[in-house]
Parts: sequence; structure tokens; C-alpha cells
Amino acid sequence: ETGVTQSPTHLIKTRGQQVTLRCSSQSGHNTVSWYQQALGQGPQFIFQYYREEENGRGNFPPRFSGLQFPNYSSELNVNALELDDSALYLCASSPGTSGTNNEQFFGPGTRLTVL
Amino acid sequence: QKEVEQDPGPLSVPEGAIVSLNCTYSNSAFQYFMWYRQYSRKGPELLMYTYSSGNKEDGRFTAQVDKSSKYISLFIRDSQPSDSATYLCAMKWHTGNQFYFGTGTSLTVIP
Repeated sequence: ETGVTQSPTHLIKTRGQQVTLRCSSQSGHNTVSWYQQALGQGPQFIFQYYREEENGRGNFPPRFSGLQFPNYSSELNVNALELDDSALYLCASSPGTSGTNNEQFFGPGTRLTVL
Repeated sequence: QKEVEQDPGPLSVPEGAIVSLNCTYSNSAFQYFMWYRQYSRKGPELLMYTYSSGNKEDGRFTAQVDKSSKYISLFIRDSQPSDSATYLCAMKWHTGNQFYFGTGTSLTVIP
């Protein structure tokens, strides 16, 4: 069974650019959540996707957007990058239906640096 | 006030010690409580999760939830150097899809 994978591992962008991060969910998991983890902080919920629809969103501006594909993989897109967007971006997948996902399995993350 | 409060440490203990990690929370609607371990520059790894109040044991790890006090704990017995990591608590509502995390406690177990 393959776990959650994310790409790329590291990324360096400049302020104002756009970035796309990718996530492949664990086999059999149909729900994907994205988190932002700043240095020394816990993960902050960005949004969740279930069956290709956004299903809940945290306190992040609209320049953070996402997609989920029929194979349950997902993308996180961030437009107009700001310095404060520098963080580890984590993808987590869950089995079962939305709202009953009590276990999340995280990928290794993508470390984004905005200069 | 943050939804979930966790002492960031750092916490340093000798090998073999019992470690106690704690979180407090403000939202009484939280029903599911999780503990994750995160090694440096890695994603969090689920250790345990519990529903509502009570204890749950898994090997050297014991999770406790006291909903009346809005307080959860993770105990690690016979701590090992390989337990050195950041420990994150997380919680969610019964039907909610958002997990709320603490800031994490950094633990070092000294051989």
C-alpha cells in the first residue's frame, strides 16, 4: 500500500509568483486536506476536498485554491505569493465519507520558500 | 484565545523516563482527539486517536482525555532516543472536517 506522496519536495519562488503543489492520496482514500505549517507552529487547515468538491475551508484568502481529480489526487494553487506564505505545505488523506474522517495520514510535505 | 493550546517546550528527559505531554482546548464541541509525532522536516505521523473521554493504550503510549477539564494528555513510558520528535495534539468536532492542531511540543530523549 502506497502512502501519501507530495511533489515537489522543495520549492523557491519570488513574491508575486504563482505555485502549484501536488499530492497523491493513500490508496483507497477519497478525501484530501491541505495544511500550512509555519516554522515552529502546528498545521493550519487550508481546505478539504471530497469527491472533487471543496468541502470546508479554513481562514485562508481566495488566492489559495485547489483541485481534486477523479483518482483522488489533489493540487494546491497559491497565487500572488507573499513572504508569509513561506511554510511547509502538508497534504493529508482520509478514508471514508466526508465529516467522518477521524484519522488523517500525512505526506512528507512541500517546503515553500518565498523570497 | 487559540482553540488548542500546547506548551512548545522544549522538553528534555533521560532515556527510560516517563514523558507527559498535554494540551488544553476551549471548544467543548471537540469529540475526537489525536496525537501526532513529527520528526524534523517530515510530515506528522498519527500515533493515537480517541473519541470523547477516557483512556487508550497502545504499547508504550497512553492517551487520556478529560472533557470536563478540556484537557488531553499523552504519556510515553520507557522513553527511547528514537522518541525524540515534536508531538502535536489535534482535535475535531464529531461531524466536522477540520482538524485543529496545537503548536507542538519538542521532546528530546537523552541516551
